Amino acid sequence: TQLLEQSPQFLSIQEGENLTVYCNSSSVFSSLQWYRQEPGEGPVLLVTVVTGGEVKKLKRLTFQFGDARKDSSLHITAAQPGDTGLYLCAGGPEADTDKLIFGTGTRLQVFP
Amino acid sequence: EAGVTQFPSHSVIEKGQTVTLRCDPISGHDNLYWYRRVMGKEIKFLLHFVKESKQDESGMPNNRFLAERTGGTYSTLKVQPAELEDSGVYFCASSQDRVWWTEAFFGQGTRLTVV
Repeated sequence: TQLLEQSPQFLSIQEGENLTVYCNSSSVFSSLQWYRQEPGEGPVLLVTVVTGGEVKKLKRLTFQFGDARKDSSLHITAAQPGDTGLYLCAGGPEADTDKLIFGTGTRLQVFP
Repeated sequence: EAGVTQFPSHSVIEKGQTVTLRCDPISGHDNLYWYRRVMGKEIKFLLHFVKESKQDESGMPNNRFLAERTGGTYSTLKVQPAELEDSGVYFCASSQDRVWWTEAFFGQGTRLTVV
């Protein structure tokens, strides 16, 4: 069974600080997606990385896929209160399916 | 363009009752997925429709759960009879193509509480 562990589980920081969220597995994934979810809403896709070692930037967010495609990280520079939310990584799909394997989640709170 | 819509937003039912959740995908999206998050756990896959056909139902927990997608449009997920452990948030998602080619859009979820 493929599992994705995220760390930290909770993160409370002040506006302007930098942070990194990690997503780790012992399994290889064909791709890795990062989502953000806000209360009362469904997850919203931020980025998909598919190549080992790939780095993608989305404004102040930097996403990296590990060389072995078993792990990923999300780095936020100069966090803002609007970055507050639940960040989820999701690996997959598994061979011959469209099944996404979601991580355990990181709840981020950015205080003004 | 309307997003993925789920009904109801919340449902509280007693153990042993039946509940039907509905998902309206984005128009034109052939792929429809059901996921759920039970308390304290990660979001887990339930099943995948391509049009009206079940492509993968490996995540369905047991035969108390029945999903349908008549005509390849909206989908329903029925739980009968509901048990306490079925409580959680049920998400529906749809995509135009397979998820590694294109983005899947999630609905806001249905929070099911079984008491």
